[in-house]
Amino acid sequence: AQKITQTQPGMFVQEKEAVTLDCTYDTSDQSYGLFWYKQPSSGEMIFLIYQGSYDEQNATEGRYSLNFQKARKSANLVISASQLGDSAMYFCAMREGTGANNLFFGTGTRLTVIP
Amino acid sequence: DTAVSQTPKYLVTQMGNDKSIKCEQNLGHDTMYWYKQDSKKFLKIMFSYNNKELIINETVPNRFSPKSPDKAHLNLHINSLELGDSAVYFCASSQRGLLIETQYFGPGTRLLVL
Repeated sequence: AQKITQTQPGMFVQEKEAVTLDCTYDTSDQSYGLFWYKQPSSGEMIFLIYQGSYDEQNATEGRYSLNFQKARKSANLVISASQLGDSAMYFCAMREGTGANNLFFGTGTRLTVIP
Repeated sequence: DTAVSQTPKYLVTQMGNDKSIKCEQNLGHDTMYWYKQDSKKFLKIMFSYNNKELIINETVPNRFSPKSPDKAHLNLHINSLELGDSAVYFCASSQRGLLIETQYFGPGTRLLVL
């Protein structure tokens, strides 16, 4: 089974509006971490935001926030006040708490911000 | 200052050749990784080293051999390159044991096998 599922291959958003990128995860570990990365067309992977499984509050970093719903195993990324520079691929990833600490990535969502 | 650097950025080569990709991090991290991103943009772990010791070795052909001469470097050597090896290879690093163990990625090496 996929550990990370991103069901939106592509999303469009009008500039200055908010957009939610979906991510669901599958793990039996109690301790895990969820990450979002941005990959612009230039190709680098940029860390955006992190949510720990024990964090009670949703993570926020500037215009990024993570809507964490543990019971539903979802960790959606919310980008507020979209900017043209937000156009990129967005990847959700998970690190499980036991043993190895590599990241499992979703298939990504391509976000296009329309002027 | 570049945190995680990779060389080369682009690599175009013929099938059957042997090539290496180098990675260096100046973040003082103790763990380094190689990921492969295929043509559909899917990222998958290949290897992970902690303090120069191999800790993750996913199902990767043994033509791929990582080497970590020290904590700050993790190189990837690929023998007998095949068309299917064409991909973007990312190096990443993190510090194990931190509350938030964020992985920081290098810029990627775009490998094209002809």
